[in-house]
This record gives sequence, structure tokens and C-alpha cells, in this order.
Amino acid sequence: AQSVSQHNHHVILSEAASLELGCNYSYGGTVNLFWYVQYPGQHLQLLLKYFSGDPLVKGIKGFEAEFIKSKFSFNLRKPSVQWSDTAEYFCAVRGMFSGGYNKLIFGAGTRLAVHP
Amino acid sequence: DGGITQSPKYLFRKEGQNVTLSCEQNLNHDAMYWYRQDPGQGLRLIYYSQIVNDFQKGDIAEGYSVSREKKESFPLTVTSAQKNPTAFYLCASSANRGQANYGYTFGSGTRLTVV
Repeated sequence: AQSVSQHNHHVILSEAASLELGCNYSYGGTVNLFWYVQYPGQHLQLLLKYFSGDPLVKGIKGFEAEFIKSKFSFNLRKPSVQWSDTAEYFCAVRGMFSGGYNKLIFGAGTRLAVHP
Repeated sequence: DGGITQSPKYLFRKEGQNVTLSCEQNLNHDAMYWYRQDPGQGLRLIYYSQIVNDFQKGDIAEGYSVSREKKESFPLTVTSAQKNPTAFYLCASSANRGQANYGYTFGSGTRLTVV
């Protein structure tokens, strides 16, 4: 079965520290990859996405992610976090299955707490 | 403005009762999805529908039912067979299943509590 694994469930950082959140998926076909963020009390928001082309994608608020096909990974990075980055981050993978149907599968999420 | 409307925002249900969560979109999207969000488990797919009058079970469909009689609407019924229904439910939609490079739009969610 297809799955998405996020390695860290909770991450605590100080402001200005660098961030890397791991994401691995298990699916052999063509995939689209996403990172979503959910700030406390708010909706899910799209941070960035990868469909094709340059495997290093840049998103909003200084986030970026790198797709490494050989490792089935799509790790999220930010060079210097801010207190306002405190949120829950979800990696998601969409794959095209038989019949043309596709599903968006989420990882369990990583709660990031940034201390001033 | 186009978007997805989920109602109600908060819902309380007695044990043994069925309850239906509403999801309406005016984005002209073909596909619609229901997810359940629990702490530490992320979002898990309950049901999805790629076109009207067709839907597929997701990863945790037991105890749930859906219908897709109109393109704009994808209601989710939480039945009494669902053993642990208290959760946050999110509805989403996306454009044509045959197209690439389309995104998902999420609703604001319904928090269901069984009392």
C-alpha cells in the first residue's frame, strides 16, 4: 500500500536555527509531492509542490524542498526559522492509480515549535 | 469567491446516532475528498469521488458513507458503526482527474464530538 512517512513527530528549535523535516514515500509510479502547513487554529495551506522539472522547489515564506527520486524523499528545509513558523507540517503525495483515479496521501505530520 | 464550504463547524452527536457533514464547492472541480484528522496521525483518506455518481473507498472507510449526486456536493455520513467518530473532518476538492498540475482546495473543517 502507498504510504508517506514523516520522520519527526515533534521538533523544537530556537529562532534562527535551520530546519529540515524528512519525508519519504512508498509508491513506484509518477508522483506529485506537496508540503502543507497548518498554523494553530487555521486551515491547511500549501507551502510548496513538485510536479516535474527542477527537483529543488521553492515555496512561500522561505521554505524549499528537494525531490530525490532515488531515495523516494521530499525533505522540507528552511535556513533560518522564525517564531511564526510554529505550526504543524504535512507531507503529501499524489499518485495516479488504475482507472485514472488519483489519491492524495498524507504523512502523520510534524509539529514544529520555535522558541524566541 | 470560489471555495469549499463545510458545515457545521462544530457538531455534537449522541452515541448510536448517524450524522451528516456537509461539503459544498463552487470551484467546478470534478474530484472531491473527505479526510479525517487525528492528533499524531495526520490526515487519513475516508472516501473520494472523481466524478458525479461515482466514489471510492479510501483508507478508513468503515463506518462512513458518502454520496455524489451533484458535482458541487459531497456529503459524508458518520454512521453508528464508526467506533471512534470524534475527530476533525476535512473536505477537499481538485480539478479534472486527467489533468496534471492541479492543486487541492481544502475546506475549514468540521469538528465532530460524540457525547
